[in-house]
Amino acid sequence: GENVEQHPSTLSVQEGDSAVIKCTYSDSASNYFPWYKQELGKGPQLIIDIRSNVGEKKDQRIAVTLNKTAKHFSLHITETQPEDSAVYFCAASLQGAGGTSYGKLTFGQGTILTVHP
Amino acid sequence: DGGITQSPKYLFRKEGQNVTLSCEQNLNHDAMYWYRQDPGQGLRLIYYSQIVNDFQKGDIAEGYSVSREKKESFPLTVTSAQKNPTAFYLCASSTDTVQPQHFGDGTRLSIL
Repeated sequence: GENVEQHPSTLSVQEGDSAVIKCTYSDSASNYFPWYKQELGKGPQLIIDIRSNVGEKKDQRIAVTLNKTAKHFSLHITETQPEDSAVYFCAASLQGAGGTSYGKLTFGQGTILTVHP
Repeated sequence: DGGITQSPKYLFRKEGQNVTLSCEQNLNHDAMYWYRQDPGQGLRLIYYSQIVNDFQKGDIAEGYSVSREKKESFPLTVTSAQKNPTAFYLCASSTDTVQPQHFGDGTRLSIL
């Protein structure tokens, strides 16, 4: 089955700096890669996702890049703010057309991001 | 507002007792999921349901049971067979199994 490794486990940055979190996956067939942000005592919130037919996707200060050959994808947060402090999870899945394949998400272990004012 | 509601937020279980965690969604989503989260770990899939009256085991289904009698509800029962039930339980839903999953705010289960 799929295995997702996430690094680093903790990341501390100063406000305004950039933060990068990296994930590698094992199943070359995986084609959907979401990122979630989880605040203390809350459920994960989807912040950005990418499908295997694109190499990069941006949404304001957040971007995700995908390298299918190397089987890794990364989350980039620019101009970090204290409210970005949270646990971030990457995930990978294989999704089939027409809903015939179950899109099981395999999650990484999480990265605790701390942004210091 | 549409969303996923999990209740209760905190739950305590005695040894040998079954407990049921509630998950309700008003997003009109067909697919629903249950995950378990342990400290310092990612989420692991317990059960999922693609449609009403149908559900499938995930990676760690032993000691758990579910039902899907209504589209908006997907309760999870933690049975006495689950020897290590202390964890944070998260419910999610999606339009179908190829669309992004959205999560509720979880139930924290502890053993007395």
